Amino acid sequence: GIQVEQSPPDLILQEGANSTLRCNFSDSVNNLQWFHQNPWGQLINLFYIPSGTKQNGRLSATTVATERYSLLYISSSQTTDSGVYFCAVKETSGSRLTFGEGTQLTVNP
Amino acid sequence: DSGVTQTPKHLITATGQRVTLRCSPRSGDLSVYWYQQSLDQGLQFLIQYYNGEERAKGNILERFSAQQFPDLHSELNLSSLELGDSALYFCASSVPLAGGPPDTQYFGPGTRLTVL
Repeated sequence: GIQVEQSPPDLILQEGANSTLRCNFSDSVNNLQWFHQNPWGQLINLFYIPSGTKQNGRLSATTVATERYSLLYISSSQTTDSGVYFCAVKETSGSRLTFGEGTQLTVNP
Repeated sequence: DSGVTQTPKHLITATGQRVTLRCSPRSGDLSVYWYQQSLDQGLQFLIQYYNGEERAKGNILERFSAQQFPDLHSELNLSSLELGDSALYFCASSVPLAGGPPDTQYFGPGTRLTVL
């Protein structure tokens, strides 16, 4: 099956800093989603981005499907951004999402 | 709020018991997916139903089963529970009847199962 690798596994920032999270995947996909899992365990949809660039407030994402990677940018980070960020992809031949292992982000005040 | 609801939020039970987790998809979504998040396995796909029929199967144990009813809600049944079944179980839905990105999966808040 498809492999999804996220980096870095852990990231500690001071409030106000910017960061870039990366997701590499091993095969062609027709769906890529970024999620934020908050400390209460909820999985929150950030982006549906199989290709191209999208922005939503302080967050933006870019997927380069031909090179099999996606980037999530967080600018001016806040303590509420803390949690685990997951990248999940769907192969062109399937319907399930395959998740990476996540990036644990801690934003300190 | 994703529009996907799951009950109960927490469930504590003993080994050997059977439990049922319930999921109501977003209004108009035809597909329901079940995922398990455990400390050692990460987030893994279990099973998908589309409009009442099983569509895809992942790493779902034989002790686990699911179904989707005519009103599109779904239930995940876990039996002969073991300590290792303790996990967060998520339901997701997708494929709206009309409009919207067809492949976006929206996740419910999860059911946290603890097996003692």
